[in-house]
Amino acid sequence: SAVISQKPSRDICQRGTSLTIQCQVDSQVTMMFWYRQQPGQSLTLIATANQGSEATYESGFVIDKFPISRPNLTFSTLTVSNMSPEDSSIYLCSVVASVNEQFFGPGTRLTVL
Amino acid sequence: LAKTTQPISMDSYEGQEVNITCSHNNIATNDYITWYQQFPSQGPRFIIQGYKTKVTNEVASLFIPADRKSSTLSLPRVSLSDTAVYYCLVGDVLGTNAGKSTFGDGTTLTVKP
Repeated sequence: SAVISQKPSRDICQRGTSLTIQCQVDSQVTMMFWYRQQPGQSLTLIATANQGSEATYESGFVIDKFPISRPNLTFSTLTVSNMSPEDSSIYLCSVVASVNEQFFGPGTRLTVL
Repeated sequence: LAKTTQPISMDSYEGQEVNITCSHNNIATNDYITWYQQFPSQGPRFIIQGYKTKVTNEVASLFIPADRKSSTLSLPRVSLSDTAVYYCLVGDVLGTNAGKSTFGDGTTLTVKP
């Protein structure tokens, strides 16, 4: 299994500012992902965080809005840039472990005023 | 990535067996079926995964018919703490799309005393 921690667990931010969310895994993993869960809705994949190269974004998500770093096999960050109230969501980090199971972090609850 | 259809909600009582069915008519040959449980303010938690026939672990059973176009998650003797949202996911956990999970709307299970 993989244990994932995220920081911060929650934050309240002002419109126009940016927030960087950290994801730390207790073991080295090849595949790491960022998801978003808007209030009362299901999860949507934002991007795949690639170690040593640029992240791969899903349709509807762009690097300028959600820059991602992946400096090593246990850590990644997601930045939500120039925030608006529509960015209020839970942001979740996810990894695929060697036994083909996908694990999710506890999430970061973001509220934009 | 295969689309899934689940009931939006289900009610049950403590001690009963609960069966949640998921339809995935366009499942591909390499796709596995995975079920997750999500409590409020937490990330999804892996419950069970299977490819065909029946899989059982300490918390649930997964029944998959021969055509694999549907699957049923069975929770024996539910308790109040099983109240959560349950997601059925279909995808190639071993291939290049591993981790790129498409979450459906999920089934909100409410267990009553």
